[in-house]
Amino acid sequence: RKEVEQDPGPFNVPEGATVAFNCTYSNSASQSFFWYRQDCRKEPKLLMSVYSSGNEDGRFTAQLNRASQYISLLIRDSKLSDSATYLCVVNTNAGKSTFGDGTTLTVKP
Amino acid sequence: DARVTQTPRHKVTEMGQEVTMRCQPILGHNTVFWYRQTMMQGLELLAYFRNRAPLDDSGMPKDRFSAEMPDATLATLKIQPSEPRDSAVYFCASGPGQVREKLFFGSGTQLSVL
Repeated sequence: RKEVEQDPGPFNVPEGATVAFNCTYSNSASQSFFWYRQDCRKEPKLLMSVYSSGNEDGRFTAQLNRASQYISLLIRDSKLSDSATYLCVVNTNAGKSTFGDGTTLTVKP
Repeated sequence: DARVTQTPRHKVTEMGQEVTMRCQPILGHNTVFWYRQTMMQGLELLAYFRNRAPLDDSGMPKDRFSAEMPDATLATLKIQPSEPRDSAVYFCASGPGQVREKLFFGSGTQLSVL
C-alpha cells in the first residue's frame, strides 16, 4: 500500500462546477499536510497547507481528518485556469515529504 | 526571488553512459530532496538530506544511483550506468527544515536514455 493515496481521476468538469479531491495517508505519525499544484510536468508549487481546523483560501477549502487519516481539497466555482494536477503531500516528524500520485483536473468551457 | 537551480534542464544520453544531475538549493535551506517523475507514476522520492547528511535513500536503486551533497550549495544525483527505464523528469527540492514548511522545487532535469 502506498503511503499517500489519491484518486487519479481524471476529473473533467464544466466551468463553475464544484469539485472535491480526496487523499488518504497510512502513517499515523504524520505531522503536516499540504496540497500542491503541478502544471504540464512543470515543477510542483504549493497551493495551500492543511490544518486540523480546516482552512480556506478564496475558492479553495482544505480539510484534515486525523482520525480517518484523510485530507480533502474542495474547489468551488472552478475556472479554466484550475486545470492541473493536484498533489497531496504528507510530512513526517523527521521532515520526509511524501507525495501522492496526483489527481488530474480538466475544467472545460 | 530565491529559487532552486537544477542543471542540466534536458539530457539525452545512450544506455550505459554516466549521468550527473546537479542542484543548487536555496541559500539557508537545510533539507534537500530528489524526486523522480514518469508519465506512469507520480513523484517518487529517491533520497533526502538534512544538513548534508543522507536521511533516507531507500527509494533509490543502490546499484546504479548515488546521491551526495559535497557542500551546502550543491547536491548531485548520479546514474551509472544509465538504462532506458531511467528516462524521467528528476526534480530537486529544498526546504528550511521545519516540518510545517513547504518545499521549493527546481525546474527539473528531463532525462532521456536511448
